[in-house]
Amino acid sequence: KAGVTQTPRYLIKTRGQQVTLSCSPISGHRSVSWYQQTPGQGLQFLFEYFSETQRNKGNFPGRFSGRQFSNSRSEMNVSTLELGDSALYLCASSLPRESSYNEQFFGPGTRLTVL
Amino acid sequence: AQKVTQAQTEISVVEKEDVTLDCVYETRDTTYYLFWYKQPPSGELVFLIRRNSFDEQNEISGRYSWNFQKSTSSFNFTITASQVVDSAVYFCALSEAGGAQKLVFGQGTRLTINP
Repeated sequence: KAGVTQTPRYLIKTRGQQVTLSCSPISGHRSVSWYQQTPGQGLQFLFEYFSETQRNKGNFPGRFSGRQFSNSRSEMNVSTLELGDSALYLCASSLPRESSYNEQFFGPGTRLTVL
Repeated sequence: AQKVTQAQTEISVVEKEDVTLDCVYETRDTTYYLFWYKQPPSGELVFLIRRNSFDEQNEISGRYSWNFQKSTSSFNFTITASQVVDSAVYFCALSEAGGAQKLVFGQGTRLTINP
């Protein structure tokens, strides 16, 4: 069974630009969550999507947004990039909430560098 | 608010030593889940264990064991006879019941096993 895939793996952008990251969950998983990992703040929850709807949201500014498609693939977008947005962005997928086993399985991440 | 504290930022031991990683959590929920994840240099978070708040039984899996003590809000992780391949950053995480899609992570403990 293929794992969670994220594209691209590495990205370099400049301040003010916008970026879109993509995540394909494990087949059959309908929930996709996004996390930001930085040396200073650690791992922080961005948002979760389930059945194309945002179900949970972390404490991030509106520049961070996302969406989920009918095939459960998800994208996150960051507009007006700032230097502090440089981070490893991790995507995780899990089975529906009703399942007894709802561990999140993580992808390899997209490392975003903002210059 | 939920909070996870991993007081040990870095641990370095010699191969074959036993090592314990500490995790203390805070939550007002009566039902919750606790997790441990491993992050090797590749960046992908690897799921190790999930424990729900009603199950205080300790668990052993090979060289890994976990000690959950609700009375002290701790969920410690022990590696017995450590190996170089155990070198990684280890994260403890917490989620509300049914909300495993939103994890609150500790700051992580960087474990280095020296040959």
